[in-house]
Order: sequence, then structure tokens, then C-alpha cells
Amino acid sequence: GAVVSQHPSWVICKSGTSVKIECRSLDFQATTMFWYRQFPKQSLMLMATSNEGSKATYEQGVEKDKFLINHASLTLSTLTVTSAHPEDSSFYICSAKTTLNEQFFGPGTRLTVL
Amino acid sequence: QKEVEQDPGPLSVPEGAIVSLNCTYSNSAFQYFMWYRQYSRKGPELLMYTYSSGNKEDGRFTAQVDKSSKYISLFIRDSQPSDSATYLCAMSDLGGNQFYFGTGTSLTVIP
Repeated sequence: GAVVSQHPSWVICKSGTSVKIECRSLDFQATTMFWYRQFPKQSLMLMATSNEGSKATYEQGVEKDKFLINHASLTLSTLTVTSAHPEDSSFYICSAKTTLNEQFFGPGTRLTVL
Repeated sequence: QKEVEQDPGPLSVPEGAIVSLNCTYSNSAFQYFMWYRQYSRKGPELLMYTYSSGNKEDGRFTAQVDKSSKYISLFIRDSQPSDSATYLCAMSDLGGNQFYFGTGTSLTVIP
């Protein structure tokens, strides 16, 4: 299957700082990438859909000014958590969609805000 | 009513058993059906991907889709302790612009 990478895999930051998470499709081009958030023992919660070259579409209740998404190329999307607070601590997972509508996930990024 | 319903379990079976995981859905527009396996603190891994009704087999895994009943299944034969994980079903429409996930079923295979 196709490979999606995420960086970093784990980050700890102080409250009030910003954190950038990168999502890359390594062996295919992805016009659409998705960002999810997952709390322990819960299912995936879609945060936003990122389309290359255009603005991301955010799900209801997700603050677009807090979770900045940039999809500048067909292989890279970034999620920046701005002015992070402890309640933003979570597992963030990206995925990329192939032209066959398969969705491949990255390994996830564990964010801890102190 | 949720778009996709999946029994969260937990499901516990002895090693070597056949496991049956199921999801039901309500939207007849769904055309693509997927099963993912997620280990703790890892991203979901695509196991099976089907487009039409019927069966698809890959090793010990068989995915089954019944569009008339809006019901999909994943069967795991000769289950192994390494199969212990959460299994998520997912589906999307023809455009693939939106994916809907089940809540996941937690499976434990006991040696």
C-alpha cells in the first residue's frame, strides 16, 4: 500500500506556543489529505479536509484560526496548532487519498501541551 | 441515526478462532468500503478495500459487502494474538470526498 509519513511522531510543548505537524505522501500524489484527532479509546474525529492549492474545509466546531492547515504541494500538508493549551493535547493523525479513493493514514503525532 | 454503526465490543476470542466483525450503514450512496486495523498509539492501517458487493479475500482476511442489506463484514481466519487491535470500518461515496468511519471494534486474541 501507499505510504504516508508524519513528523514529528511525538512533541511536548509549553502552553502558548505553536506546533507544526507535517504530513507527507511518500510514493503518490494526494490532492486531498485529511486531518483527524483521536482521544484515548475513542474513534477518529475528522477535523478538516485539506485540498492542494485551496483553503481547507473545517468540520463544525473546529477553530480554523487555531488549527491552521496548509496544503502547498501534492505531497505535503501541514497542521499548525497555534497558541496550544493543555486541552489540545491529543493524538493527531493525517491521511491522504489516492486517485482510487483509497485513504492511507500516517502513523500519528502525539502532542502533549504542558 | 449515525451514518455507520459498528459494535465497539470488546471482543475476546481464543487463538485460532474465526472472527467476524460487522458494520451497517444507512446511506445507499456509499460505494467504497474499507477495513482498517489500528494498534494502540498508531495510525490506522488499511487492510481491505472493496468497491462492489461480494467477497474479497486476502490471506486470512475476507471482506464481504452486501449493498442490498447495507451490511459489511470482515472475517479473520485462524486468528493470532498479533491480530489484537481495534478494527475500523469506513466507507465513502463515489466521489470519495467524504469518508465515514465506524467507532471501531476492539479485538483481543488470547493465546
